[in-house]
Amino acid sequence: GQSLEQPSEVTAVEGAIVQINCTYQTSGFYGLSWYQQHDGGAPTFLSYNALDGLEETGRFSSFLSRSDSYGYLLLQELQMKDSASYFCAVREGSNYQLIWGAGTKLIIKP
Amino acid sequence: DAMVIQNPRYQVTQFGKPVTLSCSQTLNHNVMYWYQQKSSQAPKLLFHYYDKDFNNEADTPDNFQSRRPNTSFCFLDIRSPGLGDAAMYLCATSSRTGKGGYTFGSGTRLTVV
Repeated sequence: GQSLEQPSEVTAVEGAIVQINCTYQTSGFYGLSWYQQHDGGAPTFLSYNALDGLEETGRFSSFLSRSDSYGYLLLQELQMKDSASYFCAVREGSNYQLIWGAGTKLIIKP
Repeated sequence: DAMVIQNPRYQVTQFGKPVTLSCSQTLNHNVMYWYQQKSSQAPKLLFHYYDKDFNNEADTPDNFQSRRPNTSFCFLDIRSPGLGDAAMYLCATSSRTGKGGYTFGSGTRLTVV
C-alpha cells in the first residue's frame, strides 16, 4: 500500500535547528514535496525534491534519498512564526497528484 | 498577483441545506483540486480536474459534486450537508506536471448547524 510516515509532533527552541523526517512507501516516485500550514490557514508550498541531495531555500532545506525512501525538512534559526504543521507529500506518478503524510506539528518554545 | 481565491472564507449552513463553495484562479493552471481537511488531519482529495476532465476519488461521497465551467473557476456543491461534513475545504491548483507545487486558496471553513 501507499504510506508516508512523519512524526506527529516535534518541539524545539527558538533559534535552534530542527529536522522533520519523512519516510515513504509508494508504488511509484517522482518527487517529494513539503508544505507548511499555520493553524486556520492553507498549506503553503515550501520545496520539491526529485533528485537525491539537499535543496536549500533560505532558512529551510530539504533532503531526499531515493534509495532509502526518505527525506527530511531542515529548519534553521527557528523563529516563533515557524510554529506550524509541516506535511510531506509524494508525487507518485507522472501526473500531478500527491499522496500526503499526516503532518508534523512543530512547537517552538522561547 | 496571481493567486487562488476562495469564497466565502466562512460558511454556515443548515443540516441538509445545499451549499456551494467557489474557487477562482488567475494562474492559468490546468489542474484544479478540491480537498477536505478536518482538524489535525492531512488534506483529503475529493476531486480534481485536468482542464475539463473530471476525476472523482473513489471514496468521495455522492453528496459532493463539482463543476468547472471554465479554466478560472471551480465549484464544490454539497447537496445535503451533514454534521460530519463540517471541515475546511481547500481549493488548489497546479501545472500539468505539478512542478512548482500546489497553490492553495485560503480555504472555506464550513460549519453545519
